[in-house]
Amino acid sequence: TQLLEQSPQFLSIQEGENLTVYCNSSSVFSSLQWYRQEPGEGPVLLVTVVTGGEVKKLKRLTFQFGDARKDSSLHITAAQPGDTGLYLCAGAGEETSGSRLTFGEGTQLTVNP
Amino acid sequence: KAGVTQTPRYLIKTRGQQVTLSCSPISGHRSVSWYQQTPGQGLQFLFEYFSETQRNKGNFPGRFSGRQFSNSRSEMNVSTLELGDSALYLCASGRGYGTGELFFGEGSRLTVL
Repeated sequence: TQLLEQSPQFLSIQEGENLTVYCNSSSVFSSLQWYRQEPGEGPVLLVTVVTGGEVKKLKRLTFQFGDARKDSSLHITAAQPGDTGLYLCAGAGEETSGSRLTFGEGTQLTVNP
Repeated sequence: KAGVTQTPRYLIKTRGQQVTLSCSPISGHRSVSWYQQTPGQGLQFLFEYFSETQRNKGNFPGRFSGRQFSNSRSEMNVSTLELGDSALYLCASGRGYGTGELFFGEGSRLTVL
């Protein structure tokens, strides 16, 4: 069974601060996605990383896939209240067929103005 | 381009009843996956359909079932509802089989009394 552990589970910061969310596993993933979910809505895909060591940037968000494709991180620079939400990492396993994803527990981020 | 549409958005049932949830994927997408989201367990994979065939199934009892129609629309059914079935049921569509990236609907919030 593949597991993804996210940390921290909860994060409350002030506007303008930087933060990093971690997603770790002992399993190798063929790709890893990051989603953001707001209350009452479904998760929205932010990014997909596929290659070990890959770094992708989306405005103030930087995503990195570990060299061994077992872990990933999300770094937000100068956080804004609009960044508030539940951040989820999800991995597509090498031995898993189809589009079945294993999700982390999520990081609930609150950015206070 | 219309997103993933799930109906109904909210529903309340009592123990022992059954429920059917509907999902219309993004136009042109042929893969539909279903996930259950609860505060304690996070997002857990239920099943995936592609070309009207169930391709993957998660670790849920046989009370949970689904199907996909020729137009890629999907339904999931839960029979003999239990209190623990209260959750947000999310449908996600994918461009093809095994693409990994999922696009989620807003979910159907089921409450079992």
